[in-house]
Amino acid sequence: GAVVSQHPSWVICKSGTSVKIECRSLDFQATTMFWYRQFPKQSLMLMATSNEGSKATYEQGVEKDKFLINHASLTLSTLTVTSAHPEDSSFYICSARDTASTQETQYFGPGTRLLVL
Amino acid sequence: AQTVTQSQPEMSVQEAETVTLSCTYDTSESDYYLFWYKQPPSRQMILVIRQEAYKQQNATENRFSVNFQKAAKSFSLKISDSQLGDAAMYFCAYHSGGGADGLTFGKGTHLIIQP
Repeated sequence: GAVVSQHPSWVICKSGTSVKIECRSLDFQATTMFWYRQFPKQSLMLMATSNEGSKATYEQGVEKDKFLINHASLTLSTLTVTSAHPEDSSFYICSARDTASTQETQYFGPGTRLLVL
Repeated sequence: AQTVTQSQPEMSVQEAETVTLSCTYDTSESDYYLFWYKQPPSRQMILVIRQEAYKQQNATENRFSVNFQKAAKSFSLKISDSQLGDAAMYFCAYHSGGGADGLTFGKGTHLIIQP
């Protein structure tokens, strides 16, 4: 089946620093990728839609200047958490939509645990 | 905006028995997709089953089946012959048809399998 990877799987950083998370579709092309955030014991919340070659679209309440998204190729989207603070500590999950598939399915990466000290 | 409601925070079932997880949703659209995802302790999201709204036939995948009631906007998941490996969080999710939108998730149901 389709595989999506995320890197890193774990990151600990100091408050005020920036962290970049990569999301890659390994065996398919993804014009569209999505970034979700999941706080402990909660559900996944869509943060933004990443579109290859164009600007990302952000959900209401998500600061686009804080969560920078770049989708430079058909297999890679990156999420940069700028000037991270402890409240940004969360589990970040990406998903990718197979451009060639006729079935509407999103494939999820394994997630990235971010801890901001 | 679409909403997805899972009213059972936690369910428990004996191994080999059958359990049904509930999900209701609210939408004004006629074309959409519904999903059940499993999230084990590893937190990797695993697709369990998919249902297209235009299909009247309920989707099935081995021991997993759904009861899709479009008029009632209900989408329950039945797990037959429950196994220890089925223990996980289960999320119901909605996707708007015809667009490259993200998923709207319910709050999830924690499924416990009693040996």
